Amino acid sequence: GAVVSQHPSRVICKSGTSVKIECRSLDFQATTMFWYRQFPKQSLMLMATSNEGSKATYEQGVEKDKFLINHASLTLSTLTVTSAHPEDSSFYICSARDSSLVGELFFGEGSRLTVL
Amino acid sequence: KQEVTQIPAALSVPEGENLVLNCSFTDSAIYNLQWFRQDPGKGLTSLLLIQSSQREQTSGRLNASLDKSSGRSTLYIAASQPGDSATYLCAVGLNNNDMRFGAGTRLTVKP
Repeated sequence: GAVVSQHPSRVICKSGTSVKIECRSLDFQATTMFWYRQFPKQSLMLMATSNEGSKATYEQGVEKDKFLINHASLTLSTLTVTSAHPEDSSFYICSARDSSLVGELFFGEGSRLTVL
Repeated sequence: KQEVTQIPAALSVPEGENLVLNCSFTDSAIYNLQWFRQDPGKGLTSLLLIQSSQREQTSGRLNASLDKSSGRSTLYIAASQPGDSATYLCAVGLNNNDMRFGAGTRLTVKP
């Protein structure tokens, strides 16, 4: 299947700093990527839909100024957690849709963020 | 609002047993349904994708069925192995961009 790479896999930062997470589609182009957040033993919650060359679409309750999303190319989307706080600690996962495979989503390995 | 429920939340079986994981959804107007596997601390691995016009998909020891009218999907795992231990997530596609996930079933296959 298609490969989605996410980096970094783990990051620990101090409260107040900003953290950038990258999501790359390695062997296909993705006009749309998705960012999810997952709390322990819970399912994935969609945060935003990232569209190449345009603004991301955020889900209700997700602060767009807090979670900055940039999708500058067909293979890269980034999520920046700005001024991180301990409550932002979570597992963040991105996914991308291969336009040649109707409807199937491929996921990155996830990024574990711990804010001290 | 589409809600996705997976039962049971956790399941433990001895190696070699056949098992069924259940997924139910409240709105039958779905675009597709996808089953994923998630290992602890890892991302999701796509297992099977069923389009709304399909009834089932098979891959190796896995078989997924879809009954839109009753709002149900099942994932059948034959001859389970310890390596199958993981959390299995069901996701319902509302359109080409929007998916709703169940909370998952945590499967443990004991040697």
